Amino acid sequence: QVQLVQSGAEVKKPGSSVKVSCKASGGTFSSYAISWVRQAPGQGLEWMGGIIPIFGTANYAQKFQGRVTITADESTSTAYMELSSLRSEDTAVYYCARGPVRRDSSGYYFTRFDYWGQGTLVTVSS
Amino acid sequence: DIQMTQSPSSLSASVGDRVTITCQASQDISNYLNWYQQKPGKAPKLLIYDASNLETGVPSRFSGSGSGTDFTFTISSLQPEDIATYYCQQYDNLPPAITFGQGTRLEIK
Repeated sequence: QVQLVQSGAEVKKPGSSVKVSCKASGGTFSSYAISWVRQAPGQGLEWMGGIIPIFGTANYAQKFQGRVTITADESTSTAYMELSSLRSEDTAVYYCARGPVRRDSSGYYFTRFDYWGQGTLVTVSS
Repeated sequence: DIQMTQSPSSLSASVGDRVTITCQASQDISNYLNWYQQKPGKAPKLLIYDASNLETGVPSRFSGSGSGTDFTFTISSLQPEDIATYYCQQYDNLPPAITFGQGTRLEIK
């Protein structure tokens, strides 16, 4: 049974950074994609970016380019999301989610999210 | 970037009703469209993938259809436990990216 366990809640000051972890157990870590999805209070779901550990490179939503870094450590089956230059609007629940990768002649796709972490609340407040 | 327009934003229906939610993509996305259910305080749950495939363990009253730009999600007979917010989600690869619809909040009448 696949499980994604995230690190605990964080309170951060504006302008600082936060790093959230997501440890996977069960299944094969490296050949699936791990994405980070956030949800501000009362709002919808927003994809921030993802990584396929076996490829090693991450892709980011345009909105977060330059401010987010997603990494993965295959030796510990753990993915990380670091968000910098935090502002109050970054207050949200941050989820990691796993899904299969699709490949075709034009490249690869993050497809769907069949397993989710429990979510990590990040509060940005002075 | 591909934009997803989901409607309605909220919906009130009675137990036993047939419920339909739609999602429209700003360009052709083939069948690269998934549907999720999210209950308050919980992570989303995958219900339908690639437009019409029922995820393992999901009740058969849930279904999806469509291709290209127009997609539909249906609950054939609404149950009290179906009260939740539902999201569509598309994926593409130029570059690899994911977009969610705005969500539909479903309530019992």
